Amino acid sequence: KAGVTQTPRYLIKTRGQQVTLSCSPISGHRSVSWYQQTPGQGLQFLFEYFSETQRNKGNFPGRFSGRQFSNSRSEMNVSTLELGDSALYLCASSGQGVTVHTEAFFGQGTRLTVV
Amino acid sequence: GIQVEQSPPDLILQEGANSTLRCNFSDSVNNLQWFHQNPWGQLINLFYIPSGTKQNGRLSATTVATERYSLLYISSSQTTDSGVYFCAVESNSNYQLIWGAGTKLIIKP
Repeated sequence: KAGVTQTPRYLIKTRGQQVTLSCSPISGHRSVSWYQQTPGQGLQFLFEYFSETQRNKGNFPGRFSGRQFSNSRSEMNVSTLELGDSALYLCASSGQGVTVHTEAFFGQGTRLTVV
Repeated sequence: GIQVEQSPPDLILQEGANSTLRCNFSDSVNNLQWFHQNPWGQLINLFYIPSGTKQNGRLSATTVATERYSLLYISSSQTTDSGVYFCAVESNSNYQLIWGAGTKLIIKP
């Protein structure tokens, strides 16, 4: 069973540009969550998508957006990049039990550097 | 919202030592997971343990849901155990994982 795939693995962008990151979840998983991790910090929750709908959203500015497609693949977009957006962006996929998520699995992350 | 506290924040041990990492949470939760983040940033699942005890090789975990804590035990530490260990719980009110700040473990040869 393939794991969670994030592309690209590394990215260098210039301030003011925009970027799109992709996440393909484990087959059968319908929930995809995105996190930002800056050096030495914990994981900051960006948003979660379930069956193409944004179900939860963290405290990030509107420059951060996402979407989920019918095959559960998800993309996140950051517009008007700032230096502070340099971080490791992690995607997690999980299944959906009767009332709770099943175990969450993470991709290897996309390391974004804004110069 | 739910608060998740991990202790200790940092731990430095010699190879071969044993360690116990703790995760306290402030409210009842749907589930709890332990992760290990390696130096390359990859988050690796260790345990999915809403309650009870599980073992996997040198690692084991116990969650006492009624007392709102979980423990991760690492025995006979190896240098490859170095990294940050995170605990994450799922809120009862939504499906969001709430994360602790992590325990940074350094195993010296």
